[in-house]
Amino acid sequence: EAGVTQFPSHSVIEKGQTVTLRCDPISGHDNLYWYRRVMGKEIKFLLHFVKESKQDESGMPNNRFLAERTGGTYSTLKVQPAELEDSGVYFCASSQILKQPGANVLTFGAGSRLTVL
Amino acid sequence: GQNIDQPTEMTATEGAIVQINCTYQTSGFNGLFWYQQHAGEAPTFLSYNVLDGLEEKGRFSSFLSRSKGYSYLLLKELQMKDSASYLCAVMDSNYQLIWGAGTKLIIKP
Repeated sequence: EAGVTQFPSHSVIEKGQTVTLRCDPISGHDNLYWYRRVMGKEIKFLLHFVKESKQDESGMPNNRFLAERTGGTYSTLKVQPAELEDSGVYFCASSQILKQPGANVLTFGAGSRLTVL
Repeated sequence: GQNIDQPTEMTATEGAIVQINCTYQTSGFNGLFWYQQHAGEAPTFLSYNVLDGLEEKGRFSSFLSRSKGYSYLLLKELQMKDSASYLCAVMDSNYQLIWGAGTKLIIKP
């Protein structure tokens, strides 16, 4: 089965520009998560979709970040306008919805590295 | 607040055994995960513990003590390809994953 794919793998933009990151989860995975890892720090949760609905967006840093998952398939994360502190690796992960959510193993994409200059 | 602690970096020799510790303080507990991440690649699932005790999977084992808020990942017969970051993550009462900063494991010949 195809894994979680993310595009682009690396994006370099200037402060104030806009970037859109895309995530294609594993087919049939209703759960989709966005995470961010800043250099040397831990992975931080951004938000969680169940199908097309935002289940939890408590980790979104501010209103410059907009995530969508139209149709419950792929998801996009837009940063507009980008700031220097937005630099990091943005990971997407997906999983099935299980009866025992605690055993919910996430499959991660390789990440999209964002560098804001 | 919620906190996951693991060593920043460890070094071990090829063929040896290494234990990576993880301590946690979280709002509730619904299991602890270990992921492996090679540089520039996706984190990949290694193990899941929700009950106390040792889970063995080939060369890798993971241990959990819920009363102590403690886990370790044990890697045996180390190979050069085991050089990677090892991430500890706890699922809290809201089923949200709380991540440690990761332990970079360096394997020397």
